[in-house]
Amino acid sequence: NAGVTQTPKFQVLKTGQSMTLQCAQDMNHEYMSWYRQDPGMGLRLIHYSVGAGITDQGEVPNGYNVSRSTTEDFPLRLLSAAPSQTSVYFCASSYSIPGGVNYGYTFGSGTRLTVV
Amino acid sequence: GQQVMQIPQYQHVQEGEDFTTYCNSSTTLSNIQWYKQRPGGHPVFLIQLVKSGEVKKQKRLTFQFGEAKKNSSLHITATQTTDVGTYFCAGNSGNTPLVFGKGTRLSVIA
Repeated sequence: NAGVTQTPKFQVLKTGQSMTLQCAQDMNHEYMSWYRQDPGMGLRLIHYSVGAGITDQGEVPNGYNVSRSTTEDFPLRLLSAAPSQTSVYFCASSYSIPGGVNYGYTFGSGTRLTVV
Repeated sequence: GQQVMQIPQYQHVQEGEDFTTYCNSSTTLSNIQWYKQRPGGHPVFLIQLVKSGEVKKQKRLTFQFGEAKKNSSLHITATQTTDVGTYFCAGNSGNTPLVFGKGTRLSVIA
C-alpha cells in the first residue's frame, strides 16, 4: 500500500515549457485534489475531483489543467510555465464518511518546481 | 468565499512549555481537521472533529471544536523537540473543498 505517489520530486523548467505532474493513489479514494504551497500562503487549492470523469476548479486554477480518467490517477498539467508557478505542489486524496464530509486527506510527498 | 484564519503565525517555546494554536472560520463548518508538516515534509493528518463542542486527545495534544462550529484549537502540553513543525487547521462546509489556514510554525528550543 503505497498511499499517494507523486512524480517527479524535483523539476526545473524554463519559462514557456509545459509539463505534467503525476499523482497516483492506491487506496480507491474517490476524492483527489492538488494544492500549491508558497511561503506564508499556506496550502491553496488548484483543482479537485470528486470521482473519475469529474473535475472542478479551486482557488488558483489559472495556468493549470487536470483530468481524471481513472480513480487512481490525477495528473496536473502546466500549460506554459511561468516563474509565478515556482512552488511546492502537493496531491492529496480522501474518501467520504457518513454525513457527507471527507475524511482526513492523505498527501503525497510533493513536487518542488522551479521555473526560470 | 470561505476563509480560515489561524494564529499565531509563529511560536517559539522552550522545551517543556505548552503551546496553543487557534483557528477561526468565517462560516460554520461541517468539520475541522488538523495537520502537521515537518520541515521539508508533507502535511500529515492528525485528527478530525465533527461535533459541536467536541474535544479529542492524542497523548499530549488536545483538540477542541467550538460550540458554534466556527473555531478550533490545538493545545500541546509540555512540548518536545519532536513537536517542531507547522500545524495547519482546515475545514469545510458540506461538500465544499477543504480550506486550509496558513498554519502556525512551532519552534522548540531545547
